[in-house]
Amino acid sequence: GAVVSQHPSRVICKSGTSVKIECRSLDFQATTMFWYRQFPKQSLMLMATSNEGSKATYEQGVEKDKFLINHASLTLSTLTVTSAHPEDSSFYICSARDAAGTGNYNEQFFGPGTRLTVL
Amino acid sequence: GQQLNQSPQSMFIQEGEDVSMNCTSSSIFNTWLWYKQDPGEGPVLLIALYKAGELTSNGRLTAQFGITRKDSFLNISASIPSDVGIYFCAGSGGGADGLTFGKGTHLIIQP
Repeated sequence: GAVVSQHPSRVICKSGTSVKIECRSLDFQATTMFWYRQFPKQSLMLMATSNEGSKATYEQGVEKDKFLINHASLTLSTLTVTSAHPEDSSFYICSARDAAGTGNYNEQFFGPGTRLTVL
Repeated sequence: GQQLNQSPQSMFIQEGEDVSMNCTSSSIFNTWLWYKQDPGEGPVLLIALYKAGELTSNGRLTAQFGITRKDSFLNISASIPSDVGIYFCAGSGGGADGLTFGKGTHLIIQP
C-alpha cells in the first residue's frame, strides 16, 4: 500500500514553454500532497503544500504564479511549471499524506520524481 | 526557518560494519522520519518516530527520537551492499506540515 506515482518521469522542454507534472496516490486518498524540488547532490526543499479543494500554500521564495498547483481530487495533484527557464531544471518530487492518518501520524509517501530539463 | 544538521555528510565503510548517523535541529519537531534515496528515485520511508525518547527498529535499522525533540539518530547494523545510498532525516511539526529535510548522508560500502 501507500503507492504514489508521478508522470512523466522525465521531460525535456524548450525555454518559455510550460510543463505539467502529475502526482497520484494509487491506493489511498490524500487530502494533502506536497511538492518538493531537489537540485543535484542537494537535499529536498519543500515548495508548496497542496490541499484538495483549496489553494496551495507556497513556501517563502517560491513563485505561486510560476509554479501552479491544482489538487482537484483526493488522488491527484498537478504542478505546472509555467514559462520554464534553464534554472528551473531540477528533480521535482511529490509526496502524499494518507487522509486516514490521525493524531501525530505524519507519514509522507513519495513519488518516484520527475526530472525536468529546460533547454 | 527550521534547519536540520545531518552528519556525517558521507561514510566509507566495509561491508559488515555498523553505521551511525544523526540529525540535530534548531527547533522542536513532533515527528522525525528517516528516508533512503537511490539515484534518480524518490525517497523511501525507513522509520517514523512520533514520541520523544521513542526507539524503533526496522530489521537492521534502529532509530531514536531524541528526548529534547531536537535530534534523532539512525543506526544500521551489519551493513550489506544494498544499503548503499543517500539517507535523509526529516522533521515535521505534525498535522499537515511539509517536511524539513537534512542534507543527507551518502553511504558507500566497500566489499
